[in-house]
Amino acid sequence: DAMVIQNPRYQVTQFGKPVTLSCSQTLNHNVMYWYQQKSSQAPKLLFHYYDKDFNNEADTPDNFQSRRPNTSFCFLDIRSPGLGDAAMYLCATSRVDREADTQYFGPGTRLTVL
Amino acid sequence: AQSVTQLGSHVSVSEGALVLLRCNYSSSVPPYLFWYVQYPNQGLQLLLKYTSAATLVKGINGFEAEFKKSETSFHLTKPSAHMSDAAEYFCAVTLNTGFQKLVFGTGTRLLVSP
Repeated sequence: DAMVIQNPRYQVTQFGKPVTLSCSQTLNHNVMYWYQQKSSQAPKLLFHYYDKDFNNEADTPDNFQSRRPNTSFCFLDIRSPGLGDAAMYLCATSRVDREADTQYFGPGTRLTVL
Repeated sequence: AQSVTQLGSHVSVSEGALVLLRCNYSSSVPPYLFWYVQYPNQGLQLLLKYTSAATLVKGINGFEAEFKKSETSFHLTKPSAHMSDAAEYFCAVTLNTGFQKLVFGTGTRLLVSP
């Protein structure tokens, strides 16, 4: 089945130790998104890739970076995680041409910062 | 800019009772509207979407929603709640013109009691 896959599902890191979260998709969608979701809150968009074009949200901290080496993969890098970065990180994809299309989400990576 | 309001952060029903989760939207142009469900430690799963076709939209797991332009509403209903419906539900809106970000409501937690 076509899907959005996130690895790992659970990630524990130490304060200040860089961490990378991975997302892959078999949907061949041209847009990939990274969201941060804290407990009992809606997902908050960090950035997205529209094809190869990177689009950062204005309020996304510089501590968060992303890479999309090809259509299928996208990575979220947190350079120096703080305690406040502990959250669920969701990857999503969509196919956008003339009309908006549905976003499909992966299962998420739960990040714990010690 | 578009937005959604979900009335009630928590809704409690008994098993077998009607489920009604409320969502009102604000949009200056015809919107696309979505309901997503999120189970604990999972990503968001699409329940249903409205994309300007039929105003009554049927989704998975017995859920449906009706788009009412006059009331700017897109409420989610299910005739008979199951214990497995207990989850967080998010209403979201985007526009039907090319790439647009998804704007989420704050979410409603559905509690189902035996």
